[in-house]
Amino acid sequence: DIQMTQSPASLSASLEEIVTITCQASQDIGNYLSWYQQKPGKSPQLLIHSATSLADGVPSRFSGSRSGTQYSLKINRLQVEDTGIYYCLQHYSAHTFGAGTKLELK
Amino acid sequence: EVQLVESGGGLVQPGRSLKLSCAASGFTFSNYYMAWVRQAPKKGLEWVATISTSGSRTYYPDSVKGRFTISRDNAKSSLYLQMNSLKSEDTATYYCARLITTTYYFDYWGQGVMVTVSS
Repeated sequence: DIQMTQSPASLSASLEEIVTITCQASQDIGNYLSWYQQKPGKSPQLLIHSATSLADGVPSRFSGSRSGTQYSLKINRLQVEDTGIYYCLQHYSAHTFGAGTKLELK
Repeated sequence: EVQLVESGGGLVQPGRSLKLSCAASGFTFSNYYMAWVRQAPKKGLEWVATISTSGSRTYYPDSVKGRFTISRDNAKSSLYLQMNSLKSEDTATYYCARLITTTYYFDYWGQGVMVTVSS
């Protein structure tokens, strides 16, 4: 089974700051990696698919990148509405989520 | 507008069964793989089951294999999850989700339905 190691588990950042969340895959998953944002009491929302493609309607301050088996979600100029929990998902073989990153405002 | 609406959750005793439903609208249901994903209280997301467009192929993680069965009725644009031999660790919010064909990520999710397994 493919494991996804997501870091950090929690993060506190200031408005307008740049934030980076990473996921490390236990084996090659190509670009079969997506990112989701979940707000309290709500279902997850797709942000990034295919490692680097922005989902429809997602602000351009969100971006995804890949270096080998390490994947990153970057938020440029953090906004109040960006708080929540972020998950990565590998969909190369079955589906495995990262453990999540809780993002709060400092 | 794509809509996924789950129903059928509730409180059930350990060892009993429960069937969840998901009503889909706003897209051609029969063209998409569908899945169930769950989230235990205050925990992360866990994939539970996936079904192909025709329903002929199903996939499960080991944690639910043999106990849960995913099915669909394309004529009714509905997805189902039959859960048998329920355990306390199955307590979670269950989400219905649509998969993008060929790359299999989840692009739309329902609002979720709570299942509590307790005596």
